[in-house]
Order: sequence, then structure tokens, then C-alpha cells
Amino acid sequence: GAVVSQHPSWVICKSGTSVKIECRSLDFQATTMFWYRQFPKQSLMLMATSNEGSKATYEQGVEKDKFLINHASLTLSTLTVTSAHPEDSSFYICSAVSSSGTHEQYFGPGTRLTVT
Amino acid sequence: QQQVKQSPQSLIVQKGGISIINCAYENTAFDYFPWYQQFPGKGPALLIAIRPDVSEKKEGRFTISFNKSAKQFSLHIMDSQPGDSATYFCAATLAGTASKLTFGTGTRLQVTL
Repeated sequence: GAVVSQHPSWVICKSGTSVKIECRSLDFQATTMFWYRQFPKQSLMLMATSNEGSKATYEQGVEKDKFLINHASLTLSTLTVTSAHPEDSSFYICSAVSSSGTHEQYFGPGTRLTVT
Repeated sequence: QQQVKQSPQSLIVQKGGISIINCAYENTAFDYFPWYQQFPGKGPALLIAIRPDVSEKKEGRFTISFNKSAKQFSLHIMDSQPGDSATYFCAATLAGTASKLTFGTGTRLQVTL
């Protein structure tokens, strides 16, 4: 149990276009999901906290107009990178927190974004 | 106060040896300390976690030692295997809530034959 999926697993897009990444909790409900960014050989950097039915809370330095987060249901959160640029190329990882029990965070497999 | 310091940055251990990774935290409000294992190109996976009311937790070859007074905790991997080669992250958070994790900087472990 406690499986989190991400789609797509990798994506290549041209500079200036927008890309949407989906994060789904497959077998549990998640009131809260987190979005992280990870550069090669570095730790995970929290970008934002996504709460179902409300606006996301962004970490300091993260542009909310560039990284649009929507958490429309208890099993789905989306991250849209708008007007992507090469510096947005990174590994994006989501995690979902079970609404019941231990509130453990379960991580998705990540999405590799390359902007050309 | 939100930092979690992790060492070493990288570690090479022979097969069968013991791998030890250390972390130190500053925020005394933290009360849940998970360790994650991450393989290249994959998301982190929970390995083992501990709460500060115990000094040690063991699951198979993996053991967490916790020193509340020193605000330190460590991961021991006994009988290390090549398949353990991965990056390990310690983290800290507040238990029982959907609180964000504060991650350590990671340790790249390589287990050689």
C-alpha cells in the first residue's frame, strides 16, 4: 500500500512552453501533498505545500506564478511549470501525506524535466 | 534552527562491513526522525524512522541510534551489501501532523565487493 505515482516520469519541452506534472496517491487519501525539486547530487528542496481545496503555500524564493500548484482532489495534485526555461530543468518529486494514521510521507518516483 | 546536518557526504564500505551515517538537528521541537534511501533517478523511500522516546530502533540490518541530549541520531547498516549502494537522507519533522520534512544533505554510500 501507500503508493504515489507521478506522470510523466520524464519530459522534454522547449523553452517558453508550459509543462504539467501530476502526482497521485493511488491507495490512500492525501489532504496534503508536497512538491520538491532536486538537483544532481543534492538534497531535496521543498518548493511548496499543497492542501486539498485551498491555495498552496510556497517556500521562500519559489515563484508561485511560475510554479502553479493545484490540489483539486484528495488523490491528485498537479504542478505546472509555466514559461519554462533551461534553468527549470530538474528532478521534481512529490510526496503525499496519508490523511489517517501516522501522517507518514510517501514519495513519488519523480519526474525528470529537461527544457531545451 | 531548522537545519539538519548530515555526515559524511560520501562513504565507501566493503561488502559485509558496517556503514554509519550521522545527523544532528537543532530544533528541539522535532519529534520524528525518518531515514530515506534514494536510488539514482528514483524518489526517496522510507527506510526506518524513530521517535525520541527510544534510544535505538532496529529493522533487519538497519538500526537507528538516537541521542536526545546531544540532538544527534545515526543510521547503521550492518553487513552492508552492494545493493545498499544509494544516497541516504536523514530528516526531521513533527510527528502526527502533515508537517514538512527538514532533510539532511545526503550521504552517497558505495558498497564495494
